[in-house]
Amino acid sequence: DAGITQSPRYKITETGRQVTLMCHQTWSHSYMFWYRQDLGHGLRLIYYSAAADITDKGEVPDGYVVSRSKTENFPLTLESATRSQTSVYFCASRHKTGVDGYTFGSGTRLTVV
Amino acid sequence: AQSVSQHNHHVILSEAASLELGCNYSYGGTVNLFWYVQYPGQHLQLLLKYFSGDPLVKGIKGFEAEFIKSKFSFNLRKPSVQWSDTAEYFCAVKGFQKLVFGTGTRLLVSP
Repeated sequence: DAGITQSPRYKITETGRQVTLMCHQTWSHSYMFWYRQDLGHGLRLIYYSAAADITDKGEVPDGYVVSRSKTENFPLTLESATRSQTSVYFCASRHKTGVDGYTFGSGTRLTVV
Repeated sequence: AQSVSQHNHHVILSEAASLELGCNYSYGGTVNLFWYVQYPGQHLQLLLKYFSGDPLVKGIKGFEAEFIKSKFSFNLRKPSVQWSDTAEYFCAVKGFQKLVFGTGTRLLVSP
């Protein structure tokens, strides 16, 4: 979807390295989210943000850090990557009312070796 | 806490067969429900949503879902599937500030 961009699309990194996944949206949506998608688990929420400078933990936040200094950006950082963090990561955003559901980015496939 | 159960993990159908995917939710507040579809290698796209009103919701590509409050269900249906419906389908409930997803159902439609 053109309004929400994730980068990179694919990333291979080594265990212990720091990795940052980027997410940018052009709608000025208040809310932004990071999910990881794993077989058998569906999508699990890592972190979310209700507005700039407001972030909160989701279901599986351990090992991840987020920031939201600007409304349009919501980077996700793996401070010290582990093999268990190999996954597909999706960023999403929504208007504060939520009536239109969420819009997802194209995802980042991260492999930790 | 809110939760979503999708009991069918894998479904295989022939083209023109009818489809029904189960979704049960648990949430004590006002219920907002969604079905998303993920085609192979792509991101999630919204199929349909229920916020209030008519419990039978029509979405894109001929899909519909029925909200049955007494059964805590929001099953997805399509009268006649096509090969292009091969995808993974996720049911979700909107909790406080965030969506909670089910584990998904992989649908394979054979030509």
